[in-house]
Amino acid sequence: DTGVSQDPRHKITKRGQNVTFRCDPISEHNRLYWYRQTLGQGPEFLTYFQNEAQLEKSRLLSDRFSAERPKGSFSTLEIQRTEQGDSAMYLCARDPAPTEAFFGQGTRLTVV
Amino acid sequence: AQKVTQAQTEISVVEKEDVTLDCVYETRDTTYYLFWYKQPPSGELVFLIRRNSFDEQNEISGRYSWNFQKSTSSFNFTITASQVVDSAVYFCALSESSTSYDKVIFGPGTSLSVIP
Repeated sequence: DTGVSQDPRHKITKRGQNVTFRCDPISEHNRLYWYRQTLGQGPEFLTYFQNEAQLEKSRLLSDRFSAERPKGSFSTLEIQRTEQGDSAMYLCARDPAPTEAFFGQGTRLTVV
Repeated sequence: AQKVTQAQTEISVVEKEDVTLDCVYETRDTTYYLFWYKQPPSGELVFLIRRNSFDEQNEISGRYSWNFQKSTSSFNFTITASQVVDSAVYFCALSESSTSYDKVIFGPGTSLSVIP
């Protein structure tokens, strides 16, 4: 158990629909990260939060993506007007110390 | 620019064999961090090791061992006496940041299958 819970585990949506994923770290750690992993590739950084503040966003995060962490605890990642290229595993991680990160089991998104 | 290469896309071994997963990295920084993660079929990424660029000592943890060689920019991972439970995708990763995970670059991964 890595102390990161993600919901849902799987999501199938039609192209053009909006989807929202949730990440719940076991406790209110300062840093929370979102990564995207496409089939056969390693995870790629999307964005990270320090408490409520979104401090950095990757160029991968287009205008259709938005992430929030309203109270510095759980976080949501929303994708608007989904495209087939958005199909991927979306991973959330918490970083209790600078030495390692604990990842959740991810949300697998399939856009049909 | 940072880059991580894992040339072995897939490896199959028979249980109890030793297997080495290769990792070659590129960075212009003198201070950097190297990681290995395991991703079993269930999907979560499991942290295995973090090593900083100033520590070239090899590390052993049970059946796992890591060989860090700055001269060849390699950070190879060896599993001794492999078991079926070792079947997973293994990622090598590089970070030039010591304080956060926003600069971690993952390699493409090596899929290991251990056959009983």
